[in-house]
Amino acid sequence: KAGVTQTPRYLIKTRGQQVTLSCSPISGHRSVSWYQQTPGQGLQFLFEYFSETQRNKGNFPGRFSGRQFSNSRSEMNVSTLELGDSALYLCASSFGGQSYNEQFFGPGTRLTVL
Amino acid sequence: GQQVMQIPQYQHVQEGEDFTTYCNSSTTLSNIQWYKQRPGGHPVFLIQLVKSGEVKKQKRLTFQFGEAKKNSSLHITATQTTDVGTYFCAAQGSGSRLTFGEGTQLTVNP
Repeated sequence: KAGVTQTPRYLIKTRGQQVTLSCSPISGHRSVSWYQQTPGQGLQFLFEYFSETQRNKGNFPGRFSGRQFSNSRSEMNVSTLELGDSALYLCASSFGGQSYNEQFFGPGTRLTVL
Repeated sequence: GQQVMQIPQYQHVQEGEDFTTYCNSSTTLSNIQWYKQRPGGHPVFLIQLVKSGEVKKQKRLTFQFGEAKKNSSLHITATQTTDVGTYFCAAQGSGSRLTFGEGTQLTVNP
């Protein structure tokens, strides 16, 4: 069974630009969550999508948005990039349901904002 | 929102010593999960605890969920260099999202 894939793996952007990251979950998984990981900040929850609907949202500004397609693939978009957006962005998929099941993480996208 | 405190932030041990990381919440949790992230890698699921007072073991790893379902611990007996990494707890409150602790970074000196 293929794992969670994320593209691109590395990205360099400049301030003010926008970026779109992609996540393909494990086949059959309907929940996709996005996290931002920075040194010293741990894993910060961005949002979760389940069956194309945003089910939960973290405390990030509106510049961070996402969506999920009918095949469960998900994208997140960051507009007007800031230096502080440099981080590892991880997505995780799971079967879904009321309680969080085991989260399967992808390898992440390393975003550097110059 | 829900907050999860994890201590210690760093732990350095000699190979063969034991290691424990603790996770605490001010609210009652539905369940708690533990993950391990190797340097340069991504978090990998270790276990989920659901029941009050639950204890689960995986070889040298022992996971506990507190009686009040507000705290949890991960204990590693006789650490090995392969145990190096950051250990995260991830907690879910009632009907809320999964919240990760800040992690405990474990280094093991051979």
